[in-house]
Order: sequence, then C-alpha cells, then structure tokens
Amino acid sequence: NAGVTQTPKFRVLKTGQSMTLLCAQDMNHEYMYWYRQDPGMGLRLIHYSVGEGTTAKGEVPDGYNVSRLKKQNFLLGLESAAPSQTSVYFCASRLTSGSIDIQYFGAGTRLSVL
Amino acid sequence: DAKTTQPTSMDCAEGRAANLPCNHSTISGNEYVYWYRQIHSQGPQYIIHGLKNNETNEMASLIITEDRKSSTLILPHATLRDTAVYYCIVRVASGSARQLTFGSGTQLTVLP
Repeated sequence: NAGVTQTPKFRVLKTGQSMTLLCAQDMNHEYMYWYRQDPGMGLRLIHYSVGEGTTAKGEVPDGYNVSRLKKQNFLLGLESAAPSQTSVYFCASRLTSGSIDIQYFGAGTRLSVL
Repeated sequence: DAKTTQPTSMDCAEGRAANLPCNHSTISGNEYVYWYRQIHSQGPQYIIHGLKNNETNEMASLIITEDRKSSTLILPHATLRDTAVYYCIVRVASGSARQLTFGSGTQLTVLP
C-alpha cells in the first residue's frame, strides 16, 4: 500500500518555465489537497478537491492551477514559475468516516525557481 | 477549530517516555484532539486522535483530562527517529473540505 505518492521529489526551474506536480493516492479517498510550506513556516493550502472532476481554491491559489480528472490523481500546475514559488509542496488525501478525519501526506516535492 | 497551546520545544532521553502537553481550554463538546508530527524534510504524519477517552495505538498514547481542556501525547520509548515537530490540533470530525491548520507545534528532540 503506497499511500500518497508525489512526483517528482525535486525540481529546479527557471523563471517563466512551466511544470506539473503529480499526486497519486491508492486509498480511494474523495478529498485531496495541495499545500506549500516555506522554510520555518506552517502549511498553506493552495487548492483542494472534494471529488473527481471538482476543484476549489484554498488560501494561496494565485499562480497555480489544478485538475482532478481521475479520483486517484490530483495535479498541480505552475504555468509560469516565479521565484516566490520556491517552496516544498505537499499533497494530502483525506479519510473521513464518522469520527475519523485524517489527512495522509506525501513525501513532498522540493521546487526551486531561479 | 479551538485554539491550542504547546511548549515550543522539549528534550527527551532516548528510551525514556516523551510526554508532550497541549492546552485546549476552549474545546467544544464535538471537537476531537488530533496529533500529527513532521519529521524534518518529510510530510506531516498522523499519530492519534481522541474525543474524551484515553487512546492508544502502535505509535503513541493520548491522555485527555476529564474536563477535556488539556491532553498529553505519550511516546512510551522515544527513539532518535521520533525527533520531530509535534502538532496538537483540535477540530470537529467533519465532512466539510476544511484544510488542516497546524500551529507552531513542539519541537521534540530525542537525545542519545
């Protein structure tokens, strides 16, 4: 059981380049999230999805787009990368059932934009 | 979500129990206490949660006071790999899409 898998683990981009981060979960969860974490800071929500084909903006959505074409995959896109998007990106899927409300996180993608 | 207060940092000797406190004096009756941790350079990891009864799993024990205004996470035999930031979160178990909000947490350092 792999849980939540993020691809790639590391990436260096030049300003203006584009890229897509992939998050895959094998737990059949409806909810998925993309967070960013800057050094010494907490997690900030970028976008989230409550099910296949649906997405919504989080706290810091500007400069990012997402898609959830399949239930198990949640993609985060940067159309034109900026140095301010240098960060560690975490994906999470969420199990909610009765009293259970647990988010499972991937290992993260470390992105540097030069 | 109810506000939580945790010490900024704690040390623990390897092999000893680590007791991490959390105050949540404004907790509501339907709010659960959740604990996560984040090991350096890794994603956050769920540890345990509870409503009012003490809970134990393979990772830790959670002790919640009778008035539910505070709780303690116990790692019974801390190892060096338990060095991490530990977050206490109080929230309703809900089907809404609310994000998980981490406070500043407690940096636990397990010393050899």
